[in-house]
Amino acid sequence: NAGVMQNPRHLVRRRGQEARLRCSPMKGHSHVYWYRQLPEEGLKFMVYLQKENIIDESGMPKERFSAEFPKEGPSILRIQQVVRGDSAAYFCASSLSTGRETQYFGPGTRLLVL
Amino acid sequence: AQSVTQLGSHVSVSEGALVLLRCNYSSSVPPYLFWYVQYPNQGLQLLLKYTSAATLVKGINGFEAEFKKSETSFHLTKPSAHMSDAAEYFCAVIQGSSNTGKLIFGQGTTLQVKP
Repeated sequence: NAGVMQNPRHLVRRRGQEARLRCSPMKGHSHVYWYRQLPEEGLKFMVYLQKENIIDESGMPKERFSAEFPKEGPSILRIQQVVRGDSAAYFCASSLSTGRETQYFGPGTRLLVL
Repeated sequence: AQSVTQLGSHVSVSEGALVLLRCNYSSSVPPYLFWYVQYPNQGLQLLLKYTSAATLVKGINGFEAEFKKSETSFHLTKPSAHMSDAAEYFCAVIQGSSNTGKLIFGQGTTLQVKP
């Protein structure tokens, strides 16, 4: 049973470009979470999605960031007009259901903005 | 609001020595608590979780943690450190009444194991 898949593993963008991060949850999981790990900081929750629905986006920056989890295909975290402060590791996790179910993490995408 | 505090951003032990990583939580309702480990340039791997079934929780790789409500603590221990235990460790909490499963993480503790 494959784990959570994220791609790309490393992404380099210049300021002003767009970054698209993909996450395929574990088989059978329909709940996806995105977390961000900034340098010298811990992991911070960004958004929680179920298929075709955003459930909790309380951790998402108000501008330039968006997330989706379509009926078919991976979840996408999109960052428009990236700035240097967006450089971080972005982790996706999936779970079988909501609430207190264990979240299984992917290997992360490390975004570097030049 | 839920929060987690990990005391000590860096812990160094000798191989074979006891590992103790500290975690305290604040919660007004019974929490669900987790310990995750992160090896360099990798994702997080679940070590163990507390879900109120038993106060002493055994996890993978010889780690265990004890939930102490009176001390609001969930410290992680391992009797004998191995070189392969060198990594960053995160304590996390889910609000007991949460329906969203949002994990709140501590700042992390980097464990160094000296030969």
